[in-house]
Amino acid sequence: QKEVEQDPGPLSVPEGAIVSLNCTYSNSAFQYFMWYRQYSRKGPELLMYTYSSGNKEDGRFTAQVDKSSKYISLFIRDSQPSDSATYLCAMSASTNTGNQFYFGTGTSLTVIP
Amino acid sequence: KAGVTQTPRYLIKTRGQQVTLSCSPISGHRSVSWYQQTPGQGLQFLFEYFSETQRNKGNFPGRFSGRQFSNSRSEMNVSTLELGDSALYLCASSWTGETGYTFGSGTRLTVV
Repeated sequence: QKEVEQDPGPLSVPEGAIVSLNCTYSNSAFQYFMWYRQYSRKGPELLMYTYSSGNKEDGRFTAQVDKSSKYISLFIRDSQPSDSATYLCAMSASTNTGNQFYFGTGTSLTVIP
Repeated sequence: KAGVTQTPRYLIKTRGQQVTLSCSPISGHRSVSWYQQTPGQGLQFLFEYFSETQRNKGNFPGRFSGRQFSNSRSEMNVSTLELGDSALYLCASSWTGETGYTFGSGTRLTVV
């Protein structure tokens, strides 16, 4: 079983729709939870990170973490064509030699004008 | 401020050769990590360096190695290249390595 599972999609939505992206994980030691956005031919760009369960909002983006269910989500409100990208979830756990990160395989999102 | 810079952007090598990729982190960042990204496997962690010391290592064969210099710049080396090493290699830097990293645009390696 992979440490982090993410539905690869692809996901296609009309402009203005609410988008929900999700990841599940198996390691209860994960402490930090992140979402990255990756445009074609670019490296991933950090969108949001959270440390605890609950919601965190940043503009049109809301990150949600449910540690009891080992489930994280990213919601995008009023989606725009510029949101078309691959979205990667990531998680990290502290080790005695620092933090090690685990990434989902990414969900490809297309927002249609 | 300047982002994470990776060179070269594209590389074509022949099976059996070796290759060295370079990464210049954001100024002040001491943690540098390397990842391999392929369509089937996603982002796979290679290793992390912090203050010139390898702090974490992923599950890759010994053909993959790296180092970090005193100015935090990092290089990774792949020896005896195999076709399966074709991938996007991403470098990411962070101040401490705890929270999210800033990624470079990557080096696209093609092994023929």
